[in-house]
Amino acid sequence: KAGVTQTPRYLIKTRGQQVTLSCSPISGHRSVSWYQQTPGQGLQFLFEYFSETQRNKGNFPGRFSGRQFSNSRSEMNVSTLELGDSALYLCASSSQGDSRNEQFFGPGTRLTVL
Amino acid sequence: QQQVKQSPQSLIVQKGGISIINCAYENTAFDYFPWYQQFPGKGPALLIAIRPDVSEKKEGRFTISFNKSAKQFSLHIMDSQPGDSATYFCAASGGSGYALNFGKGTSLLVTP
Repeated sequence: KAGVTQTPRYLIKTRGQQVTLSCSPISGHRSVSWYQQTPGQGLQFLFEYFSETQRNKGNFPGRFSGRQFSNSRSEMNVSTLELGDSALYLCASSSQGDSRNEQFFGPGTRLTVL
Repeated sequence: QQQVKQSPQSLIVQKGGISIINCAYENTAFDYFPWYQQFPGKGPALLIAIRPDVSEKKEGRFTISFNKSAKQFSLHIMDSQPGDSATYFCAASGGSGYALNFGKGTSLLVTP
């Protein structure tokens, strides 16, 4: 079974631009979560989608948004990029909608904002 | 605020030694406590997880100890190997949320 895939793996953007990151979960998984990883703050929860519905959102500004498609693939968008948005963005999928089931992480997208 | 506090930030252990990483939480609604291992350039991978109805869980060289009254849990890596050198994250989830709340991570180096 293929793992969680994320594209692109690396991105360089400038302040003020917007970016879209993509995540394909493991086949059959319906829950997709997004996390931001930085050296200072560690791993922080962005949002979680299940069957195309956002069920939970972390403490991030409205510039961060996401969506999930009917095939469970998910995208996250960051508008008006700031230098502080530079981070590794990780996507995780699970078979059930409960975080108490194992979440499988992708390799992440490394975003650099200049 | 950080809902899960992890220590130490970094750890150096000799090959064959025991690595111990500790975590503490405040939210009594948490009922799932996983540990993740992350190598450079990779996403975190689940190592072992525990629920609060047991005080200890062992899988191979990895053991979680859980103290519900103290709201603490720890990871013990027995017979540590250089291949165990990685960053380890504890996490907690439960209640009404679906998010994993992570500790800030422990960078483990096992020397030959």
